[in-house]
Amino acid sequence: GAVVSQHPSRVICKSGTSVKIECRSLDFQATTMFWYRQFPKQSLMLMATSNEGSKATYEQGVEKDKFLINHASLTLSTLTVTSAHPEDSSFYICSARDGQGKYGYTFGSGTRLTVV
Amino acid sequence: KQEVTQIPAALSVPEGENLVLNCSFTDSAIYNLQWFRQDPGKGLTSLLLIQSSQREQTSGRLNASLDKSSGRSTLYIAASQPGDSATYLCAVRKGRDDKIIFGKGTRLHILP
Repeated sequence: GAVVSQHPSRVICKSGTSVKIECRSLDFQATTMFWYRQFPKQSLMLMATSNEGSKATYEQGVEKDKFLINHASLTLSTLTVTSAHPEDSSFYICSARDGQGKYGYTFGSGTRLTVV
Repeated sequence: KQEVTQIPAALSVPEGENLVLNCSFTDSAIYNLQWFRQDPGKGLTSLLLIQSSQREQTSGRLNASLDKSSGRSTLYIAASQPGDSATYLCAVRKGRDDKIIFGKGTRLHILP
C-alpha cells in the first residue's frame, strides 16, 4: 500500500521563529500533495494544494506568505510556518495522491505545532 | 457543489454489536469514495476505497457499499471492539484530478 511519512510529529517553537514540516511519499510518486489544518474536535480544513514543480494553490483566507509550501520532487513537499505566533498552534496534516488513483488519498500522521 | 453528510454524528454501542455508519453525497458523479478513521491526535488511516464502478469493498470486519444513483455509502463494522473507537470519515472525489470532500465524521465509542 501507499505510505506517507510526516515529520516532525510534535514541535514547540518560540514566537517569531519559523518551523518546517516535511511530508514524504515513501513508495509512490505523488504529483499532488495537500496540506490540512485541524483544530480540536473539528474537521480537517484544506490549506493548500501542492503540485510538483509549480506554485502551490492556496485556499481562500490562507496567507501564502505565512505558510510557505515547496514541492520540489515527486516524493517531498514541505510546509514552512513563518514568523509563527501562538494562534498558529494547531495540528497540521499532509496527504498525497497517486497519479493513477489506485490508492486514493494517503495521509501522514500529522504534526502538532505549539507556538509559545 | 458537492456536499457530504454523515449520520449519526456520534454513536456509542456495546462491544460485540454490528453497526452501520452512513454517508450521503449530493452529486452522484463521483470518481471514488474513501472511508478513513482518525484516532485522537493522529492522522487519517484509509480503511476502504471504492471506485465509481464498484459496489462494495471488504477488509476484515469492515464492509463498505456504494450506491451512486442514490448518493449513499455505508460502512458496516461487524463484531465491534473497543479498539474500533475513533472518528470515521467519509470522503468523495469528483474526478481523478479533483480534491476530496469530507463529511464531518461519526465519532464512534465502543463500550467494553
